[in-house]
Parts: sequence; C-alpha cells; structure tokens
Amino acid sequence: SQQGEEDPQALSIQEGENATMNCSYKTSINNLQWYRQNSGRGLVHLILIRSNEREKHSGRLRVTLDTSKKSSSLLITASRAADTASYFCATDDSGTYKYIFGTGTRLKVLA
Amino acid sequence: DARVTQTPRHKVTEMGQEVTMRCQPILGHNTVFWYRQTMMQGLELLAYFRNRAPLDDSGMPKDRFSAEMPDATLATLKIQPSEPRDSAVYFCASGSEPYSNQPQHFGDGTRLSIL
Repeated sequence: SQQGEEDPQALSIQEGENATMNCSYKTSINNLQWYRQNSGRGLVHLILIRSNEREKHSGRLRVTLDTSKKSSSLLITASRAADTASYFCATDDSGTYKYIFGTGTRLKVLA
Repeated sequence: DARVTQTPRHKVTEMGQEVTMRCQPILGHNTVFWYRQTMMQGLELLAYFRNRAPLDDSGMPKDRFSAEMPDATLATLKIQPSEPRDSAVYFCASGSEPYSNQPQHFGDGTRLSIL
C-alpha cells in the first residue's frame, strides 16, 4: 500500500453530524497536512500538524497525530453540506520537498 | 487572494499532438510542483522546481514529457507526442520556503483528454 492511505474511501453523513477520516503512512515524517478538494477544483490546504504535535484545532477541524502508530485522523464537527468534498492527507518524505498524497476520502454531507 | 493560475482549464486533442499546459505561480513563491491526478493512481508528483531550477523530474516519462520555468511567473508542462494514457487532470502548485512545513497552493488544474 502507498504512503498516506485514507480510510474510509467514502463517507456519507447527515448535516450536523461529525465526520472522521483516518490516514496511515509508512515512513518517518516531519509533518502531515490535510487538504480538501471540491469537485473540479484544486486541492486546498486545511491544516498542518508537526511530528512533535499530537493534536491541533482549526475552527471545526480537529487533527490528531500518532507517530508511534504512523496514523492521523481528521475530525470535522457539525458538518455542513458545503463540507462535501474529497479529503487528502499528505506526508513529507522525511523532510524533503516531496509530499506524498494519499488516495483520499470522499465525504458527502446530506442536507 | 493570491492564486495559482493554470491554463487551459480543459484540453481535448488527438493522440500524437503536442500539448502545452501553463501555470502562473503565486508571486513570491519559489517552489513549483507539477502533479497528475487520475482515479487509478491518485495524485502523482511529476516535477519539482526551486528558484526556477528543475530539481526533480523523476516522476515524468522522459521521452515525451518536459517541464520548464522560463521565468518566475511561468511554468510549463509539455507532452509530445501525447497518448490516450496521458488523459488526466494536471495540477500545478506553488509554495514558499522553507518548503517543508509550508502548505502548497494548488491551481484548479488542466483536464486533459487525449482521443
């Protein structure tokens, strides 16, 4: 499997519910980033968490990082229809310029 | 808001034709990335530039793809000759140093269809 695999591949929830997506990776990292991609658009950066951080918040987003398990989770609270998008994690290749993107989670929020 | 601009947004052409995709990075950014996105392979890094110099193009098929930065405001990705398997969405992204720990800013991509 490739670096930065998201789980689940697809998620459908009702508006107002929380959405949790997970990302697993293989190599050591300096940081992990989450991006959102709306249909037909480019990726938009959401949040970055460094390897020495365990949790980070930004608005309705909460990201956790467990370097011992090489995994991260993205929680979107009180979801809205506008949150419908694909979400990707990206890990740096041991501090190099290369970011390896996962396969993404397709989130659908039903109004 | 500053944005990465890619042109064209859509391109349909026949196999064997030359395709040129353009990218205008955000002013002041000194790193530029080219990615290809397909359903099967996801997002793949094709090339990376820093201060206009190509530092890594190991992700590109060398025989048909080429990437350049003629100046700080323009990056190009060319395919010659194009093949149906090149059909994908091609993204350009730019960033500022230090490149690690900094987000990449993506354009909206060029959707390429090779018939």
